[in-house]
Amino acid sequence: GAGVSQSPSNKVTEKGKDVELRCDPISGHTALYWYRQSLGQGLEFLIYFQGNSAPDKSGLPSDRFSAERTGGSVSTLTIQRTQQEDSAVYLCASKKTGRFEETQYFGPGTRLLVL
Amino acid sequence: GNSVTQMEGPVTLSEEAFLTINCTYTATGYPSLFWYVQYPGEGLQLLLKATKADDKGSNKGFEATYRKETTSFHLEKGSVQVSDSAVYFCALGGSGGSYIPTFGRGTSLIVHP
Repeated sequence: GAGVSQSPSNKVTEKGKDVELRCDPISGHTALYWYRQSLGQGLEFLIYFQGNSAPDKSGLPSDRFSAERTGGSVSTLTIQRTQQEDSAVYLCASKKTGRFEETQYFGPGTRLLVL
Repeated sequence: GNSVTQMEGPVTLSEEAFLTINCTYTATGYPSLFWYVQYPGEGLQLLLKATKADDKGSNKGFEATYRKETTSFHLEKGSVQVSDSAVYFCALGGSGGSYIPTFGRGTSLIVHP
């Protein structure tokens, strides 16, 4: 079946503009994560959605970052007033529900460059 | 909180050499341990995992054993191939009531013919 997809694959924007990044998780996966991967760094957790529960936003670096998940499926990560330090690869991952379901399935990422 | 420390790369090897990538962790509780691999231009994919102490995860010739006494989960492969060139991430599953995993910084592996 289809894996996790993300769009766009690459995004170049000017400092101060807003950007929206999209994630389509695997059908039936109720958990969805967003991560940021900066050059030479590990994965920085941003936000976690589980079903209809309130998302865990503890990883969002500033109030310029927000995310939503519509209908328990597609998610959009929005970065307002982008800064150069926001340049990174943004990865989305989804996961099945279940106490022992821990494997994450990652999309290919969106490479964001802020000029 | 939980943390993962991986050896820094890049690790450069010749084809058929033995590979070890060290990973140690600190954790609350007893989380599952994972190795993910990221090939160029792609997202991460699960390589192997272990869910409890002394478990050995294995896949594609790679192995790692969950060592509680040394809080380690070192990745090994007896004979690497050029196609193994990638970035390898050690990770902890969520624990202590959290569903947020913790990833290491990744170790780049370059295998020369």
